[in-house]
Parts: sequence; structure tokens; C-alpha cells
Amino acid sequence: QVQLVQSGAEVKKPGASVKVSCKTSGYTFSGYYIHWVRQAPGQGLEWMGWINPNNGGTKYEQKFQGRVTLTRDTSISTAYMELSRLKSDDTAVYYCARGPAAPGTFWPLYYFDFWGQGTLVTVSS
Amino acid sequence: QSALTQPASVSGSPGQSITISCTGTASDFGAYNYVSWYQQHPGKAPKLMIYDVFNRPSGVSNRFSGSKSGNTASLTISGLQAEDEADYYCSSYTSITTYNYVFGTGTTVTVL
Repeated sequence: QVQLVQSGAEVKKPGASVKVSCKTSGYTFSGYYIHWVRQAPGQGLEWMGWINPNNGGTKYEQKFQGRVTLTRDTSISTAYMELSRLKSDDTAVYYCARGPAAPGTFWPLYYFDFWGQGTLVTVSS
Repeated sequence: QSALTQPASVSGSPGQSITISCTGTASDFGAYNYVSWYQQHPGKAPKLMIYDVFNRPSGVSNRFSGSKSGNTASLTISGLQAEDEADYYCSSYTSITTYNYVFGTGTTVTVL
């Protein structure tokens, strides 16, 4: 069965960086995008970006440009999200989610069919 | 700021049907069939319930159905059950954000 298992909770100080991992199994890693979505406490969902597992290509929501880096290691079917220059309002649960792609073009489709369990990142001095 | 507007809360009694609306702009949201819906129980990850307006993933109950008319999409839950109590988010293509992914504001469903 499809599984996305994320790394554990993190506590960071303002200005630091955090790197969250998302280990996948149960499907062909190269066949689906990995998206990252975050949810601040008591708030809604916010899309951050995606990575193309085939070529490592990335797209980031403008709000996070320059602070977020998505990478992947195909040898272990794992994706990573690194967020730098952390601020207190980066405190949130960060989710990875699998995203199907259009046949032929491999352009990402507009939904997320399986999600990781989430990783709480707390930014506090 | 979200591009998709949902009611903050919707409630119903067991066995009833409820509908959650999701409103975007006619110029983008209304022109594409890229609406999806997610269910989120407290402390859990979201779960895909509907994609491409009305398609149900394998394993999702047929009590959940989706539709779209103009710039408003809807999720209907029929035969409401206690386990349906959760937060629900719509999502769609939009031209308002840089790479076109946006979520709705979220709706809390309460089973009375």
C-alpha cells in the first residue's frame, strides 16, 4: 500500500533552518510528484511547492521563494523539504503529499492523493 | 489570502444530507474542472475525498459526491454519519497564486 512517512517533530530557534524528510513506499517513486503543504495551528492548508522526482525540477509558491528548497533521493524514494531563516509564524505542521501527473506530458495534476502523517515544526526562542 | 471561500461551519443530523460550498472566481476556477475535496479529522492528515470535481478515489464512500456550477463547487454528504464529523477543504486550480494551487478556507462539519 502507498505510504508516505515523515520525520519527527522539530523545535528550532528563529533564524535557523529545518529539513523534513518524506520516505515513500508502495509505488514507483518516479511516477508521481511530491508536494509540500503546511498548516499553521488552527488554520487552513497552504501549498508550498512541488518536486518532479524524475529530474529534480521544482516549483515554489512565491511566498516561500528563496527560503524553501525541495530535494529528493531516488535511491531511497525519499523527498526532503528544507525551510531556512525560520520565523515564529513558520510554526506549523508540514505535510508531504503525492501528486499524480498527466499521462504523456507528466505535468502535475491538481490534487493530492496520499499524504504523509505530518511533521510539527515549532519555531520559538 | 485564500482564493476559495467556504462556509465556516455546516451541521446536520445523522442520516441527513448536507452540502458544503466552495466559491472561486469565474475567470479561472469556473473555467477548469480541477476541484478536489479533502477530509481532515483532528490531529490527522487530510484525506482525498473527491478529485476533478466529481471523481471518487477507490475506497471513498459513495455517500460523498461533488459537483460544480459556474464559479461554485459543492461537496454533498448524504446519509450523514458520526464519523463524517471533520474539517473539509476544497482545492483548485487558480491563476491568483504563482503555480496555481490553492485551498479553500475550510468548513467544520458537525453531526448533531
